[in-house]
Amino acid sequence: AQKITQTQPGMFVQEKEAVTLDCTYDTSDQSYGLFWYKQPSSGEMIFLIYQGSYDEQNATEGRYSLNFQKARKSANLVISASQLGDSAMYFCAMRETMDSNYQLIWGAGTKLIIKP
Amino acid sequence: EAQVTQNPRYLITVTGKKLTVTCSQNMNHEYMSWYRQDPGLGLRQIYYSMNVEVTDKGDVPEGYKVSRKEKRNFPLILESPSPNQTSLYFCASSSPPSTDTQYFGPGTRLTVL
Repeated sequence: AQKITQTQPGMFVQEKEAVTLDCTYDTSDQSYGLFWYKQPSSGEMIFLIYQGSYDEQNATEGRYSLNFQKARKSANLVISASQLGDSAMYFCAMRETMDSNYQLIWGAGTKLIIKP
Repeated sequence: EAQVTQNPRYLITVTGKKLTVTCSQNMNHEYMSWYRQDPGLGLRQIYYSMNVEVTDKGDVPEGYKVSRKEKRNFPLILESPSPNQTSLYFCASSSPPSTDTQYFGPGTRLTVL
């Protein structure tokens, strides 16, 4: 079964609009972390935002915020006031504390294109 | 500047010719990991290391070797590369591993002919 599901393979958004990228996850672990990364066409993987499973407040980092709904196992990324430079692949990832590999488990990604 | 570096960034090689992709981090992180990224498959972990001289297999270790002789370095070795190892490779590091963010190197795009 998929542990991280990103249901939007691609999205087109008008510049300056807000955009929500969906992510749902599946884990039986009580302690876990959720991450969002951005991968521009140049290929590097850029960390955007982190949410811990015990964090009561939604994480925010500048224009990025994470809409964390624990009961629904959802961790959507919200980008406010989108810019042309936000065009990229976006990946949701999870790390389970009980995973001895401490690996990040990745979703398939969402390709976001910002239209001028 | 805190960073993870990888070299080379791009490499085209032929089947069977041994190669090493270097990875170095300057953040004193204990945990380091290698991933490969393939279209439609996302990122998959190849090997990881919890500290110096402590390495273990990830999900797709076949055809790869690693070593961790120093805390900062975690090279990925392909003893006899094959075309199915053509991929984008990422090195990542973090500390402590359970909740901290993994920081990624810039990636190495490998093509095996």
